[in-house]
Order: sequence, then C-alpha cells, then structure tokens
Amino acid sequence: DSGVTQTPKHLITATGQRVTLRCSPRSGDLSVYWYQQSLDQGLQFLIQYYNGEERAKGNILERFSAQQFPDLHSELNLSSLELGDSALYFCASSVESSGPQYFGPGTRLLVL
Amino acid sequence: SQQGEEDPQALSIQEGENATMNCSYKTSINNLQWYRQNSGRGLVHLILIRSNEREKHSGRLRVTLDTSKKSSSLLITASRAADTASYFCATDASGNTPLVFGKGTRLSVIA
Repeated sequence: DSGVTQTPKHLITATGQRVTLRCSPRSGDLSVYWYQQSLDQGLQFLIQYYNGEERAKGNILERFSAQQFPDLHSELNLSSLELGDSALYFCASSVESSGPQYFGPGTRLLVL
Repeated sequence: SQQGEEDPQALSIQEGENATMNCSYKTSINNLQWYRQNSGRGLVHLILIRSNEREKHSGRLRVTLDTSKKSSSLLITASRAADTASYFCATDASGNTPLVFGKGTRLSVIA
C-alpha cells in the first residue's frame, strides 16, 4: 500500500460525458502527478501540482483539467470524452520533484 | 517523446535465474529510477540511482548507471514467480522537469 488513494476504481461512461477522478496523496507529500496509461501509448505524464500550484504540464489535452486543493488532494476532470480516452489514470505523489514517486492503484476508465 | 527505452521489450526466464533489463536514454539526467508494475496495478518504486553513482543494490536488485553511454541496467538475481511484472525506467533530467518513463520490459518468471 503506497498511501496514495484514488477514487473511483472503475468508471464506465459514454462519449461526450464528463468525469472527475480524485486522488489523495501520501501524508506530507506536496507534489501530485497525473498519468495516463494506455496499451499503445505507455505511461504518459499529464500534469504536476506542487502545494496547490501547477508545476509542470505534459501531454494533457485541452478537454482535461486538474487542480490541487488546500488539503492537497487533487482532481482530474475529463470532459467531452472520446473512445480513445479509455485508459488507466494514475495519480502519484512525492516529497520532492526529483525523488521517488508513489503511485495510487489507478482509475480504470472505459468510454463506450 | 520517450526519454528512456527499455530493452528487451519482453523477457521470459525460469525461476532461480537472473534477469537483466537495460535502459537507454538521450539527454543528461539528474537521476534514473526503476519501477515495477504488476498487471493493471500502480507502479511501485524500486530504486533510484543518482548521476554521480555507478552502482546501487537493494536486496536482490542491482542497478548500474553508465552516464557516458547514457544507459542503465537492472539485474534481478535468483528470480521468483512473484517477480513477474513490467519494469520501467524513468529519467529525471532536472528537479523541475517531470519524470519520463520508458515503455517497459515485461518479465515473466516461470516456476
């Protein structure tokens, strides 16, 4: 158990819909990262927050947005969903940006 | 684009044998990390090696780093069926850039 929690575990929705994925980092970790993992693209970095502020941005689509709240939990919002958005979405946290990252169990999103 | 690339893509060995996976990368790094992922689960951090280190051990794991060749290797000794997983290398170019993961090596350890 990494100490990072993610909800929900599974999500099935339809194209065009909007969903919110939630992540609670390990106690004391200020950095939160979001990743998308699909079979053909591997693990893709989406975005990083540090203590409430956006720190780095990766291959995140404009339809996707994220935020980190004062209690350090983070949410990833995915809108206008497409079939290709079906993937595993991971959240990770770390104490410092260049140190080990601790991953949550992931949210498996299926867009039908 | 991917920074780290693991080789081989897939590896199948018998229990008790050693498994070696390699990672090559393109730019200078601050550190390189190895992670394990069991099917459909979250990644688990295994070991971090800094750019000024050449070798690091953790239990049955040995990691080497050759910055002149921009490559790293992960050796798992006396493998067990429970080591069956995908193994990823991730490079940290600096403290202000995100980790970049390779596509991983799928290791199968047959009992």
